[in-house]
Amino acid sequence: EAGVTQFPSHSVIEKGQTVTLRCDPISGHDNLYWYRRVMGKEIKFLLHFVKESKQDESGMPNNRFLAERTGGTYSTLKVQPAELEDSGVYFCASSQGAHSIQYFGAGTRLSVL
Amino acid sequence: LAKTTQPISMDSYEGQEVNITCSHNNIATNDYITWYQQFPSQGPRFIIQGYKTKVTNEVASLFIPADRKSSTLSLPRVSLSDTAVYYCLVGESWGKFQFGAGTQVVVTP
Repeated sequence: EAGVTQFPSHSVIEKGQTVTLRCDPISGHDNLYWYRRVMGKEIKFLLHFVKESKQDESGMPNNRFLAERTGGTYSTLKVQPAELEDSGVYFCASSQGAHSIQYFGAGTRLSVL
Repeated sequence: LAKTTQPISMDSYEGQEVNITCSHNNIATNDYITWYQQFPSQGPRFIIQGYKTKVTNEVASLFIPADRKSSTLSLPRVSLSDTAVYYCLVGESWGKFQFGAGTQVVVTP
């Protein structure tokens, strides 16, 4: 069974540009989470989808970040416009339901120059 | 979210048992305790999860005392490939996790 897949593995963009990260959760997992680690700091929660609905988006840093999960399958996280402080590693995780384990993808490394 | 405290680093030799204790004084009734392992350039990988007493799987054991204010991850007979960062996470397992700095475990020959 495929794990959580994230695309791209690495993205290098210039300040002011737009970047879209994609996450494909494990098939059948209703819960999808986005986390990020910036500048060597701790991994921080961004938001949580249950199917296509945003259950908790309390960790989204500002309105430059937009997450979607069309049809409750894959999710995208768009950063527009990107700023230097957005550089870091963005992780996606998915789980099946209550009391289920969160499985993480390998992450997307975003470098904003 | 319950805050967790764990040692910053631990060193061990191959073949030894490594025990990492995590403190979570403010754990809530519905919270589970979950441990993850992370290697450089990879996402966190699930190791073990528990609610109370002892849980054991093929790679680790998790000991949780009755008051649940702490937990201990036990890695038996570590090898060089167990060198990684280990995170203790507390929360409702369908919700968000709050990661701390983790414990860097270094295993040497």
